[in-house]
Amino acid sequence: SAVISQKPSRDICQRGTSLTIQCQVDSQVTMMFWYRQQPGQSLTLIATANQGSEATYESGFVIDKFPISRPNLTFSTLTVSNMSPEDSSIYLCSVYREGIQYFGAGTRLSVL
Amino acid sequence: AQSVTQLGSHVSVSEGALVLLRCNYSSSVPPYLFWYVQYPNQGLQLLLKYTSAATLVKGINGFEAEFKKSETSFHLTKPSAHMSDAAEYFCAVSSGGYQKVTFGTGTKLQVIP
Repeated sequence: SAVISQKPSRDICQRGTSLTIQCQVDSQVTMMFWYRQQPGQSLTLIATANQGSEATYESGFVIDKFPISRPNLTFSTLTVSNMSPEDSSIYLCSVYREGIQYFGAGTRLSVL
Repeated sequence: AQSVTQLGSHVSVSEGALVLLRCNYSSSVPPYLFWYVQYPNQGLQLLLKYTSAATLVKGINGFEAEFKKSETSFHLTKPSAHMSDAAEYFCAVSSGGYQKVTFGTGTKLQVIP
């Protein structure tokens, strides 16, 4: 299994500001994933983060809006930049291990 | 390409009744299929997975799912619903390995006392 810790668990932010979400895994993993779950919707993959290289973004997501860091094999951050109310979502960190994707509890973001 | 369709965004069952949550998939390669559960204010927890072994897969909390290739289905069942089963359930598909996982839109299960 995998134990994933995300911080913060929730936040309320003002329009135009940025929020950095942290994800810590209990042991080393090659790939970490960031998902967004908009209200009442399913999960959408934002990007895949490998240690030592730039993140790979899915269609519709760009690095300027969602910069990602992956400084080592157990940690990653996702920044939601220049936020607008449309960014209000749950952001989830995920890792792949032994055939299963494991998820953190998520960060519940509300943008006013 | 791969996709998942979950029929019914909301399902209500009485406590003790059969739970049936429907999932149909589309995949150009042999799929890996998953069911996840999300309790309120929590992340996703894996219920069970199918990875080309036995077609009837048993998971946690008494849930099971059957892979039917001819019907491209992977429905989730539980013989007797419990109040604690109230949650949102997501079906997902991937091509295995580090390939992208695609999620369905989710089904919210309500259990009525």
